[in-house]
Amino acid sequence: IAGITQAPTSQILAAGRRMTLRCTQDMRHNAMYWYRQDLGLGLRLIHYSNTAGTTGKGEVPDGYSVSRANTDDFPLTLASAVPSQTSVYFCASSDSPGQGNTEAFFGQGTRLTVV
Amino acid sequence: GQNIDQPTEMTATEGAIVQINCTYQTSGFNGLFWYQQHAGEAPTFLSYNVLDGLEEKGRFSSFLSRSKGYSYLLLKELQMKDSASYLCAVKDSNYQLIWGAGTKLIIKP
Repeated sequence: IAGITQAPTSQILAAGRRMTLRCTQDMRHNAMYWYRQDLGLGLRLIHYSNTAGTTGKGEVPDGYSVSRANTDDFPLTLASAVPSQTSVYFCASSDSPGQGNTEAFFGQGTRLTVV
Repeated sequence: GQNIDQPTEMTATEGAIVQINCTYQTSGFNGLFWYQQHAGEAPTFLSYNVLDGLEEKGRFSSFLSRSKGYSYLLLKELQMKDSASYLCAVKDSNYQLIWGAGTKLIIKP
């Protein structure tokens, strides 16, 4: 089944450790996104990529980095995890980012706890 | 700043109708989306509005008034499986989605 796959599904991480969340899509979508979702807050954009080879900062980029070496993969790295990065992380993709009516498709999420 | 407001929680009865409101203030407007998110799962697309008026899709309808910065999602013939959070999101002038915090809908038998 086509879609977006995230790994791992959950993780407990010691503060100060480095961690990469993986995201792969097989829909050949141009745009990919990383969001975090915290209780009582809307989805907040961390980083995005409108096409392979380009990335941009979202609303809450500090402490995170991304790369987009090809169309399918968009990993998110926490260089040195802190407890405030405890959250549920969603990867999403969409076709034609410059159009209004293109919906975003989401992965199943990664539940990350930093202790 | 950009802002999307929705009620935090609503309760309705199975078989009834419920309306979830969303108001927005964004820099530019390129459409409004509604997503459904069951607990512990990913958001899934429900509807898209870019022109004023009502869009109907089965038991779900979505309304938009751009002049008022207002939308609502109408759910008819409620079923227990409709218990979920409903997320309102607006595409701004940069075509980025700005999300509301979501409305948790509780359906009672």
